[in-house]
Amino acid sequence: DAGITQSPRHKVTETGTPVTLRCHQTENHRYMYWYRQDPGHGLRLIHYSYGVKDTDKGEVSDGYSVSRSKTEDFLLTLESATSSQTSVYFCAINPGTSGGNEQYFGPGTRLTVT
Amino acid sequence: SQQGEEDPQALSIQEGENATMNCSYKTSINNLQWYRQNSGRGLVHLILIRSNEREKHSGRLRVTLDTSKKSSSLLITASRAADTASYFCATDARAAGNKLTFGGGTRVLVKP
Repeated sequence: DAGITQSPRHKVTETGTPVTLRCHQTENHRYMYWYRQDPGHGLRLIHYSYGVKDTDKGEVSDGYSVSRSKTEDFLLTLESATSSQTSVYFCAINPGTSGGNEQYFGPGTRLTVT
Repeated sequence: SQQGEEDPQALSIQEGENATMNCSYKTSINNLQWYRQNSGRGLVHLILIRSNEREKHSGRLRVTLDTSKKSSSLLITASRAADTASYFCATDARAAGNKLTFGGGTRVLVKP
């Protein structure tokens, strides 16, 4: 999984609780991404980062925030989890070696909001 | 909304047969990529084709791109049971910056 780890791998939480997912990379790549994957929707971009403290919104950013205080870590926070945020969350990096925005994905976090 | 739309949504073939899936998109692109996802795993990058290329090969994979029709196809030749997975196209559009937009995927089942 391209030196990318995600934690936790599985989480069950209750509606209204805050949740933070962590993505860690070992290669110090500049670009990191958070996606969610739901049946029938493919992968949808939540937020991405192009450097330490540099982040921007993706297609489905409402209800999510991110932080990147170190190159290797990109955190995704659900401030108050809702059932609609039950999903599988993937982190990805772009090593920037080909100039073509090829991305490499972590193993995913399965989040269930009850 | 999704930039890329795959067709068919699901495909079942016998081992040794070829598998073809298509991707259509809406806006001008820098490149188009194909990814594979095995059940319960993250996506794996397979191949990238740039907007000025028409065909690209990688092992048993053949990708074509027709920018006039805004479509791409992925052909897997001589399929194996290990090719059972979901396949996604992703577009890197000119207007989207360093972001990819993924289609909904094609689920491929290769029966031994």
